[in-house]
Amino acid sequence: DVKVTQSSRYLVKRTGEKVFLECVQDMDHENMFWYRQDPGLGLRLIYFSYDVKMKEKGDIPEGYSVSREKKERFSLILESASTNQTSMYLCAGKAGGPTDTQYFGPGTRLTVL
Amino acid sequence: AQKVTQAQTEISVVEKEDVTLDCVYETRDTTYYLFWYKQPPSGELVFLIRRNSFDEQNEISGRYSWNFQKSTSSFNFTITASQVVDSAVYFCALRDNTDKLIFGTGTRLQVFP
Repeated sequence: DVKVTQSSRYLVKRTGEKVFLECVQDMDHENMFWYRQDPGLGLRLIYFSYDVKMKEKGDIPEGYSVSREKKERFSLILESASTNQTSMYLCAGKAGGPTDTQYFGPGTRLTVL
Repeated sequence: AQKVTQAQTEISVVEKEDVTLDCVYETRDTTYYLFWYKQPPSGELVFLIRRNSFDEQNEISGRYSWNFQKSTSSFNFTITASQVVDSAVYFCALRDNTDKLIFGTGTRLQVFP
């Protein structure tokens, strides 16, 4: 079975804190993605990565950065958390090639106070 | 521009009723892929089906069926004899010839006993 895990299911942080959201996949997938999910807006792509040390901006990268030092791990970083970053964050992995499917982790519900 | 529209925000049915979730997409690409995901209350997105633009055959998997019609740019999802365990948010998504997924805003399905 495919497996994507995220370090926390629930996280509460304060405004201005630096926040790390970790995602690990065991599928040997080249491609990894970070989305945020908000009511009425569906899922929106923040960043994605095609390979180690490579990253591409998605549709809403402002306020976020990412790190991919190893193939299996893709981290989302909030340099200075703000209340408007309170959201559900979902990580996904996908093998290379156009026909493969993105598989998602369980999500991290982040609250910024 | 790529776009996915799920006009039904929320649907409520009683167990054993059939229910259809609508999905309309927009794309200028001739090659694209359509997906349905289920998000139960636990939060994880579960992959249900992938369909490519060259394959308009309808698909049936148990109580689930999908109707893909390029003429109307629709990829609708029907659950036959719904069950309480079908209660979830369902997302339709479009992927073009890059790896990005464009999601609809989701349809919340509530199945009451």
